[in-house]
Amino acid sequence: GAGVSQSPSNKVTEKGKDVELRCDPISGHTALYWYRQSLGQGLEFLIYFQGNSAPDKSGLPSDRFSAERTGGSVSTLTIQRTQQEDSAVYLCASSLATGLNTEAFFGQGTRLTVV
Amino acid sequence: SQQGEEDPQALSIQEGENATMNCSYKTSINNLQWYRQNSGRGLVHLILIRSNEREKHSGRLRVTLDTSKKSSSLLITASRAADTASYFCATDETGANNLFFGTGTRLTVIP
Repeated sequence: GAGVSQSPSNKVTEKGKDVELRCDPISGHTALYWYRQSLGQGLEFLIYFQGNSAPDKSGLPSDRFSAERTGGSVSTLTIQRTQQEDSAVYLCASSLATGLNTEAFFGQGTRLTVV
Repeated sequence: SQQGEEDPQALSIQEGENATMNCSYKTSINNLQWYRQNSGRGLVHLILIRSNEREKHSGRLRVTLDTSKKSSSLLITASRAADTASYFCATDETGANNLFFGTGTRLTVIP
């Protein structure tokens, strides 16, 4: 596609259930980022993938959070045993390269509501 | 983690006035970028300034970077109501190859 695509756009889930959020980056972009944004707040870094390198998971808030990137393209963020504090907008972004030119292109996000 | 902090947190101006937002960060960077966010969803890239640059222009946008003070400013000239949005700085941290975002400035331009 022309841009970064995230699905679903909105997700309401019951506390304790697992959820999977999907991100389709721009074709050819080697870097992929996941961020979380609570209402009215800044972007909290979660995880970063760059090519075939080991991902930077330093931002994941707990072991209930995990992410994969298959074939260097599509990424899935999984939240297990969701809690109400997990409610937020989850944003995915991709970029062509790192170093000199790291302009990131964002998807429209998935708004997760845990009830 | 968040690398940058913007100030002010919120800014309200009249249409036609200039808006200045500031960003401070903590470590060495490859570049600094500014993004805009409408309605709490996807961010749009506005401008990138490299660590060896001091000033950059793009249309009504002017960005400065002072690496000695670890700070940057974004100036929007002749503001319009459509400029109302949240503005974030993001730093590409040297050696980290990642993008860390600041806390954002909420700009309101009153018609």
